[in-house]
Amino acid sequence: QKEVEQNSGPLSVPEGAIASLNCTYSDRGSQSFFWYRQYSGKSPELIMFIYSNGDKEDGRFTAQLNKASQYVSLLIRDSQPSDSATYLCAVWGNSGGSNYKLTFGKGTLLTVNP
Amino acid sequence: IAGITQAPTSQILAAGRRMTLRCTQDMRHNAMYWYRQDLGLGLRLIHYSNTAGTTGKGEVPDGYSVSRANTDDFPLTLASAVPSQTSVYFCASSASPGAGELFFGEGSRLTVL
Repeated sequence: QKEVEQNSGPLSVPEGAIASLNCTYSDRGSQSFFWYRQYSGKSPELIMFIYSNGDKEDGRFTAQLNKASQYVSLLIRDSQPSDSATYLCAVWGNSGGSNYKLTFGKGTLLTVNP
Repeated sequence: IAGITQAPTSQILAAGRRMTLRCTQDMRHNAMYWYRQDLGLGLRLIHYSNTAGTTGKGEVPDGYSVSRANTDDFPLTLASAVPSQTSVYFCASSASPGAGELFFGEGSRLTVL
């Protein structure tokens, strides 16, 4: 059973701080990694993806990947109240043969306090 | 606006009734997916379709069926609804089966009594 684990939170940070969201995965053969943001009552939307070890930056967001440790994280700099949402980690890997599967973690609820 | 349209947005259904959730995309994406999202369980894949004319089973397919007669439409049918199928259902699509960038519809909230 391939798993993606996230701390369910809630993670509470003050406005302007760095929010750090973490995710571990069990399938060492996983190939690509995604972060989705889901506002309450809304559908998930993709905010970041990363394929290679290291950091990838996009505006206030940085995704970090360490395949040796099977660990992926999302840093949000200068957190804003509008960043308050559930963040879903998703991992793309081979589920057998030529079948590939995107597995989602259960999500971390982030609250940014003004 | 291009994207995915789901219908209905909300439905209350008596147990034992048949229900079809509709999903239409206008992005000409090859792959489409149905997920259910439950508190504490996250998003779970029900069925998927890599291209028109093909479908496959996901993590929780029992009690559900799908069809993919053309590129744009991917309906999900509950043949005989049960209370455990109370959930929020999301339809999603991706440009190709191997693409991890999924575009989601707004969801259909289904309550089975």
